[in-house]
Amino acid sequence: DQQVKQNSPSLSVQEGRISILNCDYTNSMFDYFLWYKKYPAEGPTFLISISSIKDKNEDGRFTVFLNKSAKHLSLHIVPSQPGDSAVYFCAANDNYGQNFVFGPGTRLSVLP
Amino acid sequence: NAGVTQTPKFRVLKTGQSMTLLCAQDMNHEYMYWYRQDPGMGLRLIHYSVGEGTTAKGEVPDGYNVSRLKKQNFLLGLESAAPSQTSVYFCASRTGANYGYTFGSGTRLTVV
Repeated sequence: DQQVKQNSPSLSVQEGRISILNCDYTNSMFDYFLWYKKYPAEGPTFLISISSIKDKNEDGRFTVFLNKSAKHLSLHIVPSQPGDSAVYFCAANDNYGQNFVFGPGTRLSVLP
Repeated sequence: NAGVTQTPKFRVLKTGQSMTLLCAQDMNHEYMYWYRQDPGMGLRLIHYSVGEGTTAKGEVPDGYNVSRLKKQNFLLGLESAAPSQTSVYFCASRTGANYGYTFGSGTRLTVV
């Protein structure tokens, strides 16, 4: 059973609008979360992180929100740009584990 | 600064053949990982290493072996390739427990 879920395989958004990518997790021990972006034929690249001691972290156009009680996090991209079109992976770590567990990814398409 | 380098980038194998994928990092990272990416499955951990001379099994280790004889290199071996091992393989490294990964650009392996 997947510990990290991204229930939307794909998402399409108009350029300039907000993109919201969702991630749910089942393991209550997870306390550190990452978002990665992946373009075709490239490796994933780090985008933004959040620790469980926070409920929000911002970096430019990217904001990640964490709702620990719901075991849910979301990535907001405002405004969305065509160059944001990629697959986005959510990942979680329990801080004692040596590995991050990745979700299946959501493919974002930003339409001009 | 090359980061994480994977060789080869593409390979086609016949069932039963063996091969080794090489991952090299120049960032002095302690942790190194091998993942495979399959459609709808996200990134699944094959094997990992927390330091030179150490290796451990991940989520999907069967059919693979690894070695970390030098800190900067992490080798993934397929002793007898099977069509189920057709996938894109990513190597990653990181410096500590709560730091994100740096990924290589991937190796696309097809087993026919």
